[in-house]
Amino acid sequence: DVKVTQSSRYLVKRTGEKVFLECVQDMDHENMFWYRQDPGLGLRLIYFSYDVKMKEKGDIPEGYSVSREKKERFSLILESASTNQTSMYLCASSLGTGWDYTFGSGTRLTVV
Amino acid sequence: AQKITQTQPGMFVQEKEAVTLDCTYDTSDPSYGLFWYKQPSSGEMIFLIYQGSYDQQNATEGRYSLNFQKARKSANLVISASQLGDSAMYFCAMRERDTGRRALTFGSGTRLQVQP
Repeated sequence: DVKVTQSSRYLVKRTGEKVFLECVQDMDHENMFWYRQDPGLGLRLIYFSYDVKMKEKGDIPEGYSVSREKKERFSLILESASTNQTSMYLCASSLGTGWDYTFGSGTRLTVV
Repeated sequence: AQKITQTQPGMFVQEKEAVTLDCTYDTSDPSYGLFWYKQPSSGEMIFLIYQGSYDQQNATEGRYSLNFQKARKSANLVISASQLGDSAMYFCAMRERDTGRRALTFGSGTRLQVQP
């Protein structure tokens, strides 16, 4: 089975800290995605990547950046964390133009 | 513009009864896919069912069926014979083929509670 692993289940960070959320998939998927999930808003796309070193802005990229140096790893970076970035973050991956998506278990980030 | 609309923030259903979760979508792309996911309190996203825009028949997967009404742009999820374990958040999602964007767009979700 395809596995998408997010390194932390829960994370508490201070305002202004630089935060890295890591996502690793083990099935050679080209596409990787970062979403944030908030009550009443569903999942919103932050950034996505179709290939190594490639990235595209999603619907809410402000305050975030990403890095994809290796095919299996897609990192979400909060350059200077703010309290409004307190949320659940979900990573997902998919193969090429395929229609199967696999999600990680999520990282619940609290910024204090 | 909202591409996926789920108008029911919360729903209650009695165990063993059927329930319909509403989803409407907006797209001008003739080729698209519609998805439903379940998210239990543990947080993982569980794929339930998929409907392609050119599929002639409504998709079914066990107790889940998708009531696809293309002209009305609706893709409602029907869960038959509800079980206590069906209590969860449910998300409708869409992907448009011709835009080249491979990401899913999600609705705001419906929290389903199954009562004994």
